[in-house]
This record gives sequence, C-alpha cells and structure tokens, in this order.
Amino acid sequence: DTGVSQDPRHKITKRGQNVTFRCDPISEHNRLYWYRQTLGQGPEFLTYFQNEAQLEKSRLLSDRFSAERPKGSFSTLEIQRTEQGDSAMYLCASGLAGTTDTQYFGPGTRLTVL
Amino acid sequence: AQTVTQSQPEMSVQEAETVTLSCTYDTSESNYYLFWYKQPPSRQMILVIRQEAYKQQNATENRFSVNFQKAAKSFSLKISDSQLGDTAMYFCAFMKRGGSNYKLTFGKGTLLTVNP
Repeated sequence: DTGVSQDPRHKITKRGQNVTFRCDPISEHNRLYWYRQTLGQGPEFLTYFQNEAQLEKSRLLSDRFSAERPKGSFSTLEIQRTEQGDSAMYLCASGLAGTTDTQYFGPGTRLTVL
Repeated sequence: AQTVTQSQPEMSVQEAETVTLSCTYDTSESNYYLFWYKQPPSRQMILVIRQEAYKQQNATENRFSVNFQKAAKSFSLKISDSQLGDTAMYFCAFMKRGGSNYKLTFGKGTLLTVNP
C-alpha cells in the first residue's frame, strides 16, 4: 500500500496559463475527493467521484475548473486561465465505500500563480 | 449546511504534559462522523481519531482521546504525554453519513506547538 500520491508537488505558473494536477488513490479505493486549502484555513471540498462518476461539485468549482476520473482509477484536476486567487494547496483524498468512510489524504499540490 | 468551529488558533504545551483542543459543530443531521486530522509542517494530513455519532463511548487511540458531547455538539481532542512530534496543525472535521456524498467539512485548525 503506497498511499495516495499527487503529482506535481509544486507548480508555479503565470496568470492565464492552464495547469493540470494528477492524483493516484489507494488502489482499491472507489471514492476520490479533491479539496482546496488556502493559507491559514482548513481544506474546502471541491468535488467527489465514486468510481468514474463525478457525483458532486462545490460552488467553489468555477467553470474554469474541471475534474475527471477515467476508468475509476487516477483523477486529474485542470484549471484553465489561472488567476492569482487560484494559488492554494490542492489536496486529493481517497476512501473505500462500505467501510469506515475514512478519507486518506495525499501530500497535495501547491499551486502558485504569478 | 454543516459548520465546524475551532476557537483556538494556536496552543502550546510542554513536552510530556496534557493538552485539550476544542471543536464545536453545528448540524441538523443525526447520523454522522467526527474526525481529528493532523497536518505536520510541510507534510501530509493524517487521521488522528474518528468518532461515530451513534456511539456514546468516546474514541481513544493510544495517547489521543476525545470528549464527544452530542447534545452540546462538542468534540474535543485530548493529547496525553505530549511529544515533540505532535507539533502540527490539528483540524476537526464533520462528515454526514448516507446520501450521495461523504465530503468532509473542516474547521480552520489549531496550531499546536510542543515545547521541549
């Protein structure tokens, strides 16, 4: 069990550029979550997948954000036309339905938009 | 909608002593989980302890225990015999059971520093 992994760990981009982050959940986990954490705050929910289906999206997820989970395995989060306000830590978590409902977090991707 | 409040932005404790972190929450749900997560500096978030709302018995995990007061909607974390490695940001989180989403709602966190 290698845990949840995220790539890249750090991303610096210029305003207006597109960025994509990847999350690999724990192998048998069918639930996958994306959260955003800004400095001094707790993580905030962005979106949730069960298998390949995206079941919920937060109002925080503007039209510039899109997430996918093809084949119910890894997931990608894309931000188009980045803005300085998108600078944050993007956290991925996974869990297994029908068990303890506990979520296990990855190390996060820190995005800095210049 | 659920809200989670952590009223102590920062706390400090001497090594080997006991410290209690506070958390209150607001919900109209009756079936839910409460969690404490720990986020060490520049490291990933890890689960400390978990409580199911229907269980009256307080959860314990080694040096970590909770005081769950359902009627008061309070969920405090007690750390006994504090160690330097306990230095971290601690987040209280709520999860509704059932429905189509099991998202976590977090508080703003409490930064705990354990001093030698």
